[in-house]
Order: sequence, then C-alpha cells, then structure tokens
Amino acid sequence: QVQLVQSGAEVKKPGSSVKVSCKASGGTFSSYGFTWVRQAPGQGLEWMGRIIPVLGRANSPQKFQGRVTITADTSTSTVYMELSSLRSEDTAVYYCARLPPSYDSSGVILPYYYYMDVWGKGTTVTVSS
Amino acid sequence: QSVLTQPPSVSGAPGQRVSISCTGSSSNLGLGNDVHWYHQLPGTAPKLLIYGNNNRPSGVPDRFSGSKSGTSASLAITGLQAEDEADYYCQSYDSSLGGYVFGTGTKVTV
Repeated sequence: QVQLVQSGAEVKKPGSSVKVSCKASGGTFSSYGFTWVRQAPGQGLEWMGRIIPVLGRANSPQKFQGRVTITADTSTSTVYMELSSLRSEDTAVYYCARLPPSYDSSGVILPYYYYMDVWGKGTTVTVSS
Repeated sequence: QSVLTQPPSVSGAPGQRVSISCTGSSSNLGLGNDVHWYHQLPGTAPKLLIYGNNNRPSGVPDRFSGSKSGTSASLAITGLQAEDEADYYCQSYDSSLGGYVFGTGTKVTV
C-alpha cells in the first residue's frame, strides 16, 4: 500500500521559512515525480511545484519562483518543500502528491508526468505574528 | 488563480445523475492535454477519481465517468449517493504556464 506521510503542523512568524517533509513508503520512489499543492482556508487547490528525482529536476510556477525550494532525498524516499519569506496569505494546508510516469505502447516508461495518483494527508502551516 | 473554470455548485437527489463541467483554453485542454478529476471530502486530502480523461483508478465505482472535447471536459456521476457529497476539481497541464492547473472546484450536494 503506497503512502505519503507528511510532517506535522507548523506555526510560523511572518518573514520566516517553513520546511515540510513527505516520506513515501511502498512503490519505487525513483520511478515517480512528486508535487506540492496547497489549499488556503475555504479555497481551491493551487500547484506549487514538482520534482522528478530520477531527472534531478524541480520547477515551480512563476508565482512561487524564488520563494519555494523542492528537494528530494532518494536514500530515504523523502521529498521536501521549503517556503521562505512567509506572509499571512501562506496560511494553508500543504499537500504532497505522487506523479506517476507515462508509458508508451510497449510499456516503456516515459518521463512525462500529468496527474497525481496518491496524496499525503496534508500539513497545516499557520503564519501569524 | 485557477485557469480551469467549473460551476461553483451542483446538486441532485439520491439516484439522480449530475454533471460537472470544466472549461479550459487553447494552452491546456484545447492543446490536447488530458483532464483529470479529484474529489475531496470535508477535512480530507483530495483523491484521484478519473485520469486521462475517462479512466478510473482501481476502486472507483463505474458511477463516475469523464469525457473531454476541445477546450471542455465533464465529469458525470450517475446513481448519486449521499457519500458523493464533496468538492470536485478538474486538473490538466498548461503548456504556456509550464505546469499543472486546477479547476475552480465544484461542490456537489446530494
């Protein structure tokens, strides 16, 4: 049974940073990509970035560039998301999710990742002075 | 901000059929990128419901089905049940933005 286990809730001051972890158990870590999605109270889902450990590549939308850092430790099957310069608007539940690879007609894995098949339970980050 | 547009809410009686629309643009759905659907029960994480436009993961009942045409997609729920009451989100890849985009979300009330 594949699981993504996230770190616990955090309370942070404005201007500080937070680092959330997501440990994958079950499945082959290196075959998948991992992504972070957040949800502010009463709001929808917002994509924050992703990492493809086997390619060593991470990217994030322009809104978060310069503020979010996504890393992976393949030795522990753990992905991390660090968000800096926190402000009150960053108060949200942060989810990690797994991105399965695509396959060609012969069953060969392709490095294209389009949807999120397994989600962590979420980490609440509260930013307050 | 969300790039994919969904109706804020839909409702139906038990046993009825409801449909949720998801409207995108030429840089996501219209470009041929697939649509995927998630549902989220109150206080829980989203869960994959449909991937690749119309494929159900193991364990998802066949009451849920998806379709896509041009810049639009839809999720249909037949035989509506009380446990289907949740928020539903569509998602795709936007080639102009270079990343994933979500719909605005739809609350289904039974």
